[in-house]
Amino acid sequence: DTGVSQDPRHKITKRGQNVTFRCDPISEHNRLYWYRQTLGQGPEFLTYFQNEAQLEKSRLLSDRFSAERPKGSFSTLEIQRTEQGDSAMYLCASSLTNEKLFFGSGTQLSVL
Amino acid sequence: AQTVTQSQPEMSVQEAETVTLSCTYDTSESDYYLFWYKQPPSRQMILVIRQEAYKQQNATENRFSVNFQKAAKSFSLKISDSQLGDAAMYFCAYRRGGTYKYIFGTGTRLKVLA
Repeated sequence: DTGVSQDPRHKITKRGQNVTFRCDPISEHNRLYWYRQTLGQGPEFLTYFQNEAQLEKSRLLSDRFSAERPKGSFSTLEIQRTEQGDSAMYLCASSLTNEKLFFGSGTQLSVL
Repeated sequence: AQTVTQSQPEMSVQEAETVTLSCTYDTSESDYYLFWYKQPPSRQMILVIRQEAYKQQNATENRFSVNFQKAAKSFSLKISDSQLGDAAMYFCAYRRGGTYKYIFGTGTRLKVLA
């Protein structure tokens, strides 16, 4: 069990640029989640994958956001034309069941 | 809509003492689960304890226990014999049964004083 890995740990970008984050779940976990956490708030649900299928996408995710999980392994979260309001920590979690989520250390995004 | 409220932004406790973190939630569902997650400075959230709504017995994990008051929709976390390593943000979370979406509160920052 090597844990959930997220890359990069920090990302600074200029407004209008595109960014992509990667999440490598625990290898046998078929469920993968993305959450967003802003300062002073708890994590907010963004999207959920079961294997390669994206089963739900929060309305928090505008059309500028897209997530993929090809082959049901790692996942990427892309934000196009970033805005200052996108600045947040993006957390990835994986699980075998819904009973316990295993979180990564997150990617902290700063949009200047 | 379900909501989770943590009314204590910050709490402090002396090392070896006991502290209780509060959480209330709102739901009309009967099948649900409640969780406490810890987020240390390393940012990686870790499950502390879990409670199934259908179980009357309060969950316990070593020094961590909950006081689950279903009628009052209250779910507090008690940490006994507090240790310096307990210092972290603590998030209360709710999940409706049969779903995968967790709803988190805003968190309580716990400081442990030596």
